[in-house]
Amino acid sequence: KQEVTQIPAALSVPEGENLVLNCSFTDSAIYNLQWFRQDPGKGLTSLLLIQSSQREQTSGRLNASLDKSSGRSTLYIAASQPGDSATYLCAVSMDSSYKLIFGSGTRLLVRP
Amino acid sequence: GAGVSQSPSNKVTEKGKDVELRCDPISGHTALYWYRQSLGQGLEFLIYFQGNSAPDKSGLPSDRFSAERTGGSVSTLTIQRTQQEDSAVYLCASSLALGADTQYFGPGTRLTVL
Repeated sequence: KQEVTQIPAALSVPEGENLVLNCSFTDSAIYNLQWFRQDPGKGLTSLLLIQSSQREQTSGRLNASLDKSSGRSTLYIAASQPGDSATYLCAVSMDSSYKLIFGSGTRLLVRP
Repeated sequence: GAGVSQSPSNKVTEKGKDVELRCDPISGHTALYWYRQSLGQGLEFLIYFQGNSAPDKSGLPSDRFSAERTGGSVSTLTIQRTQQEDSAVYLCASSLALGADTQYFGPGTRLTVL
């Protein structure tokens, strides 16, 4: 059974810092991996999608990497801003089905 | 519309009542997914549709839960004889095609069962 773990559970950093959020999964036979952000009381916003054949994706200040063989993904946020404060969720979909299996998220606070 | 919409945004009901939650996916998206987000369980998959068919119902927690999709568009999630443990935020997502694309999420319906 696929399990997705995110570390740390919570993170507080001063504005301007570069930071890394970690995601690990137990079954490497994934179809793709997505990073989402969730703002309080709102739905999820997709940030980056990495197909299983890809190593990384970039969007603006965000860079997500995927090491499928070791079951890890990282989300790198450069020059963090208070507006980046949210919960970041990692999710994988498997070959045999297309449902997303989520980690428990990392709550990020960027202090002004 | 521009995104996935869900209604109602909030629903408070009494234990034992039936509820219907609605999801309007992004126009043209053939795949639709339902998830549940609760305090103790995090975000969990419930069911997905490809067109009007639901090949994977494995995530539905009990036979009190059912979902349908008509016309390849709107979907309703029905919970019969609600229990307090059904209290959660129910999220709907859609994607252009099954599995290959980003899933776009709606704002969710917060269900509270008293």
